[in-house]
Amino acid sequence: QKEVEQNSGPLSVPEGAIASLNCTYSDRGSQSFFWYRQYSGKSPELIMSIYSNGDKEDGRFTAQLNKASQYVSLLIRDSQPSDSATYLCAVSQGAQKLVFGQGTRLTINP
Amino acid sequence: EAGVTQFPSHSVIEKGQTVTLRCDPISGHDNLYWYRRVMGKEIKFLLHFVKESKQDESGMPNNRFLAERTGGTYSTLKVQPAELEDSGVYFCASSQILGSEAFFGQGTRLTVV
Repeated sequence: QKEVEQNSGPLSVPEGAIASLNCTYSDRGSQSFFWYRQYSGKSPELIMSIYSNGDKEDGRFTAQLNKASQYVSLLIRDSQPSDSATYLCAVSQGAQKLVFGQGTRLTINP
Repeated sequence: EAGVTQFPSHSVIEKGQTVTLRCDPISGHDNLYWYRRVMGKEIKFLLHFVKESKQDESGMPNNRFLAERTGGTYSTLKVQPAELEDSGVYFCASSQILGSEAFFGQGTRLTVV
């Protein structure tokens, strides 16, 4: 079992719809959870961080964390073609290194 | 404010040669990390500096990899001698506070032929 698992996709969503990205992790001691967006050939760009159970909203993005079920998700409302990218889920273990999932490739269709 | 910068952006070397990658973190960030993404795999942790000290180097593949951060500013990652399986994208990241958000550089794409 991988430490952080994501559906690799591709996930195809029509423009204006909600894109839902999911991630599960195996280490119950994980404390910090991050979503990065990566365009092809570019650096991973942090878009959301979440540290406690529940929802965290930032503009069109909402991160959801459920530590009991060991999953974290990212919702993108009103999806735009510019949201097309690979989304990386990362989990911090021991407040130091990040453990990444393989990433989910998201395509927003105009 | 400048972000994390990495040099070179691309490097193609022959098996057995030496390559040195450089990372300049965001100014004031004591924590510096090296990660690597091999084709088709997830990004994996290599090591973590706090200032000039190696905090965790559990992800370093073998002793052909040497990372340094003299003076606690920029860092170098040297691969000597390079092997074919070392090909991939090497990312550097930095953070101000341990456990807080890490910011990534654009990466160095290393190809060993």
